[in-house]
Amino acid sequence: KAGVTQTPRYLIKTRGQQVTLSCSPISGHRSVSWYQQTPGQGLQFLFEYFSETQRNKGNFPGRFSGRQFSNSRSEMNVSTLELGDSALYLCASSLKTASGTDTQYFGPGTRLTVL
Amino acid sequence: AQKVTQAQTEISVVEKEDVTLDCVYETRDTTYYLFWYKQPPSGELVFLIRRNSFDEQNEISGRYSWNFQKSTSSFNFTITASQVVDSAVYFCALSYNNAGNMLTFGGGTRLMVKP
Repeated sequence: KAGVTQTPRYLIKTRGQQVTLSCSPISGHRSVSWYQQTPGQGLQFLFEYFSETQRNKGNFPGRFSGRQFSNSRSEMNVSTLELGDSALYLCASSLKTASGTDTQYFGPGTRLTVL
Repeated sequence: AQKVTQAQTEISVVEKEDVTLDCVYETRDTTYYLFWYKQPPSGELVFLIRRNSFDEQNEISGRYSWNFQKSTSSFNFTITASQVVDSAVYFCALSYNNAGNMLTFGGGTRLMVKP
């Protein structure tokens, strides 16, 4: 069974530009979450989508947005890029949503560099 | 608010030594979930274990073992007879009931196993 895939793996942008990252979850998984990893702030939760609806959102500015499609694939978008947005962006998927917490499986990440 | 603390930022051991990675958490919820993930240099977070707050049984999986103690809010991870392939950054994470899949991560412990 294929794991979580993320594209592109590496990306270089300049300040002020916008970027879209893509994530394909494990087949059958309906929940997709996004995390940002930086040396200074560590791993931080961005948002979670389930059935095309955002279920949770972390403490990030509105420049960070996402969406989920009917096939559970997800994209996240960052507009007006800043130097501080340089990070590894990790996507995770889980099988289902429930009152509890599902185990999340992570993709290899997209490394974004903002110049 | 939830918080996860991994006080050891970096540990260096020689192959075949045993090593314990500490994790202390804070949460007001009575139902919560604890996780350990491994991040090798490739960047992908690899799921190791999930434990819910009602299950305090310790777990052993090969050379890995986990000690969950609610009384001290700790969920420590021990690698027995460490190997060079164990070199990675290890993250402890916490989520609570009804939070969906929003994980709060500790800062991580970089483990270096030298031959």
